[in-house]
Order: sequence, then structure tokens, then C-alpha cells
Amino acid sequence: DQQVKQNSPSLSVQEGRISILNCDYTNSMFDYFLWYKKYPAEGPTFLISISSIKDKNEDGRFTVFLNKSAKHLSLHIVPSQPGDSAVYFCAASGTSGYSTLTFGKGTMLLVSP
Amino acid sequence: EAQVTQNPRYLITVTGKKLTVTCSQNMNHEYMSWYRQDPGLGLRQIYYSMNVEVTDKGDVPEGYKVSRKEKRNFPLILESPSPNQTSLYFCASQAAGAFNNEQFFGPGTRLTVL
Repeated sequence: DQQVKQNSPSLSVQEGRISILNCDYTNSMFDYFLWYKKYPAEGPTFLISISSIKDKNEDGRFTVFLNKSAKHLSLHIVPSQPGDSAVYFCAASGTSGYSTLTFGKGTMLLVSP
Repeated sequence: EAQVTQNPRYLITVTGKKLTVTCSQNMNHEYMSWYRQDPGLGLRQIYYSMNVEVTDKGDVPEGYKVSRKEKRNFPLILESPSPNQTSLYFCASQAAGAFNNEQFFGPGTRLTVL
């Protein structure tokens, strides 16, 4: 049973516009949600995270929104840049300390000039 | 530079020939993990280790072994590789005190088993 779902395999956006990547989860025990970005031939790199006690976290052009009642989170990139083209993974984990990261299947974002 | 390194980066082998993929981190992290990435399946955890001599199975441990004899190293061992283990493998590490459970990933090892 897939606990973290990214239902859009790909997304195309024009440079300067907003990119919205979505993620749904089923386990209400998740405490932290993370977004990773992955370029080809590189490992995933951490982008931004949000605690389950918050509904928004912002870092520069990246904002993550969490809707606990809907078990849904989204990553907004504004404005989108061609260098943002990558695969984005949503991940969820339990309480702080050490907890396994459960990943979604990823969404490939393509930002065209 | 803080990093997770993996070797080799690319490996082509044949069915049944034992191999080891090494992983090392220089951040003094307690926790380390191995993942595999397959098309359409995302990242799935193979094994993880919470400290030296402490390892446990992840979601897809069959056909793999690990060991954690030193804090910095966490090798992945395939005793008898099979073609269904052809995949992209990532090692990751995490500090015990990380408030959001952020993991740092290595560059990946692309394994092909013929």
C-alpha cells in the first residue's frame, strides 16, 4: 500500500510562472514532510520541509503548504526557472530522531524558457 | 566538504557474481540507509542502520546484505546478484538530532546485472 502518492508523473511550466507539485499521504502518524530535488546522474538533494504542526513553510522561491485534514501537501515554486527542471520527490517521516523516510514516486518538472 | 560517497558509480556484472557497493559519510552521522530507485516506483528503502552494529530491514531487503562495523561506512552486499536487482542505488545518512529527519544522499550507483 503506497503511503505517499505523487499522482502526476510530469509537469510542464513556462519560465516565470508558478509550478505546483502535489503530494498525498495516507498515514496520519507522519510528523514531517520533505521535498527533495533530483537532477540526472546526481543523488536527491533536500529542498524544504514542513512539520505537521504547521500549514506553511517558505524558503525563497519555494513554499510548501500542508493540509492535514485532506492529507495533502503541495510545493509551490515562484517564479519557476529552467534550472528548476528536475524530478521532485515528496517524502514523509515519523517523529524526530530517526524515522524512515517514505517516498512518493516523483514528479518530473520541466520549465521551458 | 560534507558528503556521502559511493563506489563504484557504475557497475555491470553477471548473475551470481558477488559484489559490494561501498558507502562512506564524513558528517559523523549515526543513521545510514540504502535505497533503490526504479522507474515508476520512486525510492524504496533496502536496509538502514541506526548505529554501529545495528542494522534493520527496510521495505525491499531480499537479496541484499549490509554491515556497519564503523560509523562512517555502510556497504551494500549482493551475494548472488540477479537481473531484477538492476537498479540505481543510493546511500544516505542522517544526524541523530535532525529535527525534520533530513537525509543526505550520495551520488548513486547504477548497477546492471546481466
